[in-house]
Amino acid sequence: AQSVTQLGSHVSVSEGALVLLRCNYSSSVPPYLFWYVQYPNQGLQLLLKYTTGATLVKGINGFEAEFKKSETSFHLTKPSAHMSDAAEYFCAVSDKSGGTSYGKLTFGQGTILTVHP
Amino acid sequence: NAGVTQTPKFQVLKTGQSMTLQCAQDMNHNSMYWYRQDPGMGLRLIYYSASEGTTDKGEVPNGYNVSRLNKREFSLRLESAAPSQTSVYFCASSLVHLLTYEQYFGPGTRLTVT
Repeated sequence: AQSVTQLGSHVSVSEGALVLLRCNYSSSVPPYLFWYVQYPNQGLQLLLKYTTGATLVKGINGFEAEFKKSETSFHLTKPSAHMSDAAEYFCAVSDKSGGTSYGKLTFGQGTILTVHP
Repeated sequence: NAGVTQTPKFQVLKTGQSMTLQCAQDMNHNSMYWYRQDPGMGLRLIYYSASEGTTDKGEVPNGYNVSRLNKREFSLRLESAAPSQTSVYFCASSLVHLLTYEQYFGPGTRLTVT
């Protein structure tokens, strides 16, 4: 079974600082990879995804993530944090091998990002 | 285009009561999902429906049942609610085709069981 680990349940940065949220997965076959953001009392919104091709993926709100197969990682970054980035972020993977796993996502535990003025 | 809608937004139940959470999507997606979200545990899949007419158990199906009423609607039923089912419930849908795997989420239902 796949698993997703997000290192750090809480990350705190200053406004304007680099944001780095870590995600590692375990899978024998490189999966499809996603980052979602959840603002308070809302549903999840897709930030970006990696399916195939270029390993550096750009998403909404200035976020990007890089798929590193050798490290089984998909870390999320943003060069300069903004107050509006404060939210909870979830990494998710999808098994692309088909069968009964078709389309299902496995989520990490989430990382709450706090941005200080 | 409303996306994924869920009703109700909030609900309080007493132990042993039953209720149905409703979910609908207007994006012509084939697959639909029910998750529960608990602090520090991410989202856990309860049930999913890969296509109209099919449903399958996810990671935490005990105490729940689902119905895929048609392509648009996917309901989640709690037959006899327990305090352990206090959670936030999210419905999601996706068009599972080749490289299109992302799921679109509803706003959630906050359920408290006393």
